[in-house]
Amino acid sequence: DAGVIQSPRHEVTEMGQEVTLRCKPISGHNSLFWYRQTMMRGLELLIYFNNNVPIDDSGMPEDRFSAKMPNASFSTLKIQPSEPRDSAVYFCASSPSPPSGQFFGPGTRLTVL
Amino acid sequence: GQQVMQIPQYQHVQEGEDFTTYCNSSTTLSNIQWYKQRPGGHPVFLIQLVKSGEVKKQKRLTFQFGEAKKNSSLHITATQTTDVGTYFCAGLKGKLIFGQGTELSVKP
Repeated sequence: DAGVIQSPRHEVTEMGQEVTLRCKPISGHNSLFWYRQTMMRGLELLIYFNNNVPIDDSGMPEDRFSAKMPNASFSTLKIQPSEPRDSAVYFCASSPSPPSGQFFGPGTRLTVL
Repeated sequence: GQQVMQIPQYQHVQEGEDFTTYCNSSTTLSNIQWYKQRPGGHPVFLIQLVKSGEVKKQKRLTFQFGEAKKNSSLHITATQTTDVGTYFCAGLKGKLIFGQGTELSVKP
């Protein structure tokens, strides 16, 4: 079975550029989560969706960040414009139903120069 | 705000020694989950505890949920080099809040 799929796996961009991260959750899972992981701040929940509807986006740092889930099999996290402090590993995770264990994707390592 | 504190931050052990990490919440939790992240990898779900005082075992790993549902622990008996990684607890109260993790290194 395919797990959570994320793309790209690595992204290097320059400050001010738009970055789009993509996620395909596990088929049949109805909850999707976006996390950011850094050494300083650990693993932070940015936003989560239930049945494609955003439930809690209180972790989204600022208006430069936006996330969408147009259907049950696809989600994007966009940063526009990007800044060096956005450099981190971004994980997408999905879950069959809350509360339940979450299945993480391999992550996207983002570097903003 | 809501916090989940985890200690210790780092633990270095000799292979064969035991290891324990502790997780504490400022508020009562609906459940607690444990994850393991290998270096360079992604968090992998290990287990979920729901009931007050619950104890679950997975081979050499023992997970406990406190009576007040505010704390939890993970104990590994006779560590092996394959146990290396960061262990995270995550408490559920509305949404999942991750602890800072305990990084375990095992010297062969």
